[in-house]
Amino acid sequence: ELKVEQNPLFLSMQEGKNYTIYCNYSTTSDRLYWYRQDPGKSLESLFVLLSNGAVKQEGRLMASLDTKARLSTLHITAAVHDLSATYFCAVVHMDSNYQLIWGAGTKLIIKP
Amino acid sequence: ETGVTQTPRHLVMGMTNKKSLKCEQHLGHNAMYWYKQSAKKPLELMFVYNFKEQTENNSVPSRFSPECPNSSHLFLHLHTLQPEDSALYLCASSLRTSVGYNEQFFGPGTRLTVL
Repeated sequence: ELKVEQNPLFLSMQEGKNYTIYCNYSTTSDRLYWYRQDPGKSLESLFVLLSNGAVKQEGRLMASLDTKARLSTLHITAAVHDLSATYFCAVVHMDSNYQLIWGAGTKLIIKP
Repeated sequence: ETGVTQTPRHLVMGMTNKKSLKCEQHLGHNAMYWYKQSAKKPLELMFVYNFKEQTENNSVPSRFSPECPNSSHLFLHLHTLQPEDSALYLCASSLRTSVGYNEQFFGPGTRLTVL
């Protein structure tokens, strides 16, 4: 059974600081998604990471994937208030009809 | 309308009521999903439809009954629910369910409260 663990589950930080959210998963997969959810809104796809060593960047967010370590990171650089949201990682479960298995989410609050 | 829409956005129902949630996607996708999102828990996949055929039912109680009349519409029929069924119900769609085509696009969700 594929399990996905995110940490931390809650993060409060000041604007301008850097931080990293971690997503660990328990069995082999070579495709991982990061999503963002604002309160009362849809989940929005941020990144698709397709292979070992993949790195993608959009603005102040950068995501990477290490399939050997079964780890993905979402790094926030010089955080701004608008990045406050809940961030989810989801891993494709190759042995279960390619279902997405979701982490519990990291609620990020960035204080001005 | 664009993307994935869901109605109603909020629903309060008693345990003896019957209600339905509706999802519509305007993305030309062929796969649709129902998820349950409860506080402090990972998203729980409930049902998957691919080209109108149900491909996944993740041990969902029979008081939840999905219906997919075509690739653009998905319903979740609810009857005799329990208070623990209160949650945000999210609909999503993707081009297909197979890897490489299964990036999912979500609707805004229906906030369900069962009294």
